[in-house]
Amino acid sequence: AQSVTQPDIHITVSEGASLELRCNYSYGATPYLFWYVQSPGQGLQLLLKYFSGDTLVQGIKGFEAEFKRSQSSFNLRKPSVHWSDAAEYFCAVGATGGFKTIFGAGTRLFVKA
Amino acid sequence: EAGVAQSPRYKIIEKRQSVAFWCNPISGHATLYWYQQILGQGPKLLIQFQNNGVVDDSQLPKDRFSAERLKGVDSTLKIQPAKLEDSAVYLCASSLERNGYTFGSGTRLTVV
Repeated sequence: AQSVTQPDIHITVSEGASLELRCNYSYGATPYLFWYVQSPGQGLQLLLKYFSGDTLVQGIKGFEAEFKRSQSSFNLRKPSVHWSDAAEYFCAVGATGGFKTIFGAGTRLFVKA
Repeated sequence: EAGVAQSPRYKIIEKRQSVAFWCNPISGHATLYWYQQILGQGPKLLIQFQNNGVVDDSQLPKDRFSAERLKGVDSTLKIQPAKLEDSAVYLCASSLERNGYTFGSGTRLTVV
């Protein structure tokens, strides 16, 4: 069965420090992978997506993610975190056409000054 | 480009009452989704439409939830009767194939 695991419920980093949010998936076929961000009281915003090709994908707001098939992972990274990055981050996996896209439980990011 | 519009933003009802949510997707997006997001959890798909046909409603509690998408554009999600455990944010999203979803701001439902 397909699933998405985000092992960290919450993470705290200092402003200016680097960030890595973990995502592991289980999927029967070649997955389409996504990262979304959700600020309090808001809907989810797409940060980046991976369908095929280069396994390192660039997204908005300075985020990037790397697809590692051997590890079934799609970790999100940012070299220098800003206070405005504090939010909840969701990893998602799906099939072509958006069918059966499922979301992880999310990782809440706290940024300290 | 206008985003996905949802209304109302907030709704408080008593258990056993009925409630309806409305969604207007991005123009031209054939696929529309309703997700339920319970506090502290990731979104869970309730129903997916392709134009005005249902593609997946396997996780929709059909004894109390219903949804329709008339003319392949706007959609409504209804709960009747509501239970306490239905308290959640209901998110509507639309997409073009492969492009990821665009979400609305959601409707926060509180059942008391």
